[in-house]
Amino acid sequence: DAGVTQSPTHLIKTRGQQVTLRCSPKSGHDTVSWYQQALGQGPQFIFQYYEEEERQRGNFPDRFSGHQFPNYSSELNVNALLLGDSALYLCASSLLGTQTYEQYFGPGTRLTVT
Amino acid sequence: GEDVEQSLFLSVREGDSSVINCTYTDSSSTYLYWYKQEPGAGLQLLTYIFSNMDMKQDQRLTVLLNKKDKHLSLRIADTQTGDSAIYFCAENLLLNTDKLIFGTGTRLQVFP
Repeated sequence: DAGVTQSPTHLIKTRGQQVTLRCSPKSGHDTVSWYQQALGQGPQFIFQYYEEEERQRGNFPDRFSGHQFPNYSSELNVNALLLGDSALYLCASSLLGTQTYEQYFGPGTRLTVT
Repeated sequence: GEDVEQSLFLSVREGDSSVINCTYTDSSSTYLYWYKQEPGAGLQLLTYIFSNMDMKQDQRLTVLLNKKDKHLSLRIADTQTGDSAIYFCAENLLLNTDKLIFGTGTRLQVFP
């Protein structure tokens, strides 16, 4: 049973550039959430996608956008990168309507902005 | 409001029990979770508890919930060196979504 996968593992970008991160959910899951984890902090919710629509959004600027594809995989896009966007970006998948609302996380993408 | 607090660091001897504490402030939470994060890795779901329960046991893990005080704890029995990691508690607001609110994490160090 394949778990949540993310690509790339690491990424280095320059301020002002744009980046796209990818996530494939756990087999059987239909919902993808994205989190940002700054060094030494807990993950912060960015947004969640279900049925190719954004269900809810955390306190992140419009530079952060996403997409979900018909096969439930998802992308996170960040435009006009800032130094403060350097973080571990985590994708979590879940099955909507599951009584226990468990979310399973991927290994993350480490983004460094220089 | 949304806020989850944890102590930053815990050091225990191998074989002893570890107790990691967490307090949360949002009374609408329905599920509370414990995740483990090893260096350079993602988060591994360890266990969860429903807010109408007081306790849940799963092998070496025991979760205690005091809903009145909004206090959650994770007890690890017979702590091993492989348990060294950062432990996060998280609450699920269940407000039309399953958004998780995480604490800042507790770093558990196990020494021989």
